[in-house]
Amino acid sequence: NAGVTQTPKFRVLKTGQSMTLLCAQDMNHEYMYWYRQDPGMGLRLIHYSVGEGTTAKGEVPDGYNVSRLKKQNFLLGLESAAPSQTSVYFCASSPGLINTDTQYFGPGTRLTVL
Amino acid sequence: RKEVEQDPGPFNVPEGATVAFNCTYSNSASQSFFWYRQDCRKEPKLLMSVYSSGNEDGRFTAQLNRASQYISLLIRDSKLSDSATYLCVVRVGTGGFKTIFGAGTRLFVKA
Repeated sequence: NAGVTQTPKFRVLKTGQSMTLLCAQDMNHEYMYWYRQDPGMGLRLIHYSVGEGTTAKGEVPDGYNVSRLKKQNFLLGLESAAPSQTSVYFCASSPGLINTDTQYFGPGTRLTVL
Repeated sequence: RKEVEQDPGPFNVPEGATVAFNCTYSNSASQSFFWYRQDCRKEPKLLMSVYSSGNEDGRFTAQLNRASQYISLLIRDSKLSDSATYLCVVRVGTGGFKTIFGAGTRLFVKA
């Protein structure tokens, strides 16, 4: 039982390049999330999904797209990377319970955009 | 004003000390409360949920004050391994998507 995994762990991009971050969970969770974490700030929600085939915008969605074609996978895409997207990206999943929904996080992807 | 505010610290305490963190939240519709722990360059992990009646897990005690809109975390008998950043997390409503993370309080426990 691996929990939540993310690939890649590290990546350096040049401005304007594109990439996709992959998140996978093996806990059969309904909900999945993508966050970014920047120094001095809390995690900020980029996009989330409440089930296979559904996605929604979070707090900071601009410049990102997501897809959830399979329940266990949640992809985050950067179409044209910008230096402001340099950050640590965390994926999380949760079972979708009403009151005690605990989020489980992946190990993170450290992205640098030059 | 941030929706969830924490003292960033750092708190530097000796082993065996008792240390307390507070966190304030602004949205009165907040329904669920949590403390997460994040080690350096690692992912956040749930430390404990915070219940209205307060709850204790070993050396850790969490309290909720809805009237004043703050939650607290007390760590007794600090260990070196308690050194980490503690994130205050507040969920507004019942969906997982309105979950607000505080920026965290850094704790260093020294021998």
